[in-house]
Amino acid sequence: EPEVTQTPSHQVTQMGQEVILRCVPISNHLYFYWYRQILGQKVEFLVSFYNNEISEKSEIFDDQFSVERPDGSNFTLKIRSTKLEDSAMYFCASEQPGYTFGSGTRLTVV
Amino acid sequence: EDQVTQSPEALRLQEGESSSLNCSYTVSGLRGLFWYRQDPGKGPEFLFTLYSAGEEKEKERLKATLTKKESFLHITAPKPEDSATYLCAASTGGFKTIFGAGTRLFVKA
Repeated sequence: EPEVTQTPSHQVTQMGQEVILRCVPISNHLYFYWYRQILGQKVEFLVSFYNNEISEKSEIFDDQFSVERPDGSNFTLKIRSTKLEDSAMYFCASEQPGYTFGSGTRLTVV
Repeated sequence: EDQVTQSPEALRLQEGESSSLNCSYTVSGLRGLFWYRQDPGKGPEFLFTLYSAGEEKEKERLKATLTKKESFLHITAPKPEDSATYLCAASTGGFKTIFGAGTRLFVKA
């Protein structure tokens, strides 16, 4: 069964550093998403991406965040100057339709 | 404001004891209502998409239904392996998806 693959599974970073979270969506899917889930809290929408551009973003997705699809397979989320409150599970998902989520990257900012 | 509310927060059942989980939603321009299962430390696993009131979908012991304001996830004769958090999410016309806080289901043998 097709999968959404995320790397790394766990990343620890110093506050103020930049991190790039990587995702390989399902190849024939058209819509791509990033979500985050702070421990014990709801899954929160960050951004949706279609046709190589952002189609919608939440209030959380400020100038600190950016997304790219640098080639035909990878989809990345960059967080500049990480803060302690950025610590969370970050999930990538793709849709055609019906979302398939990756297994997530646990980001810990220390 | 778009909102998705799930109840109860937690549900403890005996094996074989059927029950329902509720998801109330208030969104502008519902594109789809999703149900997911989430196990600890893992990403949500897609279960169902419902698009219009009156629609029903089934998968093994699970059945999802949709009205104009609510969705229900019915669990028939649950087994311990059904223990998980069940998430409801509503997708709006702008491709933004709003998740509920989930219902933690515990099924005891």
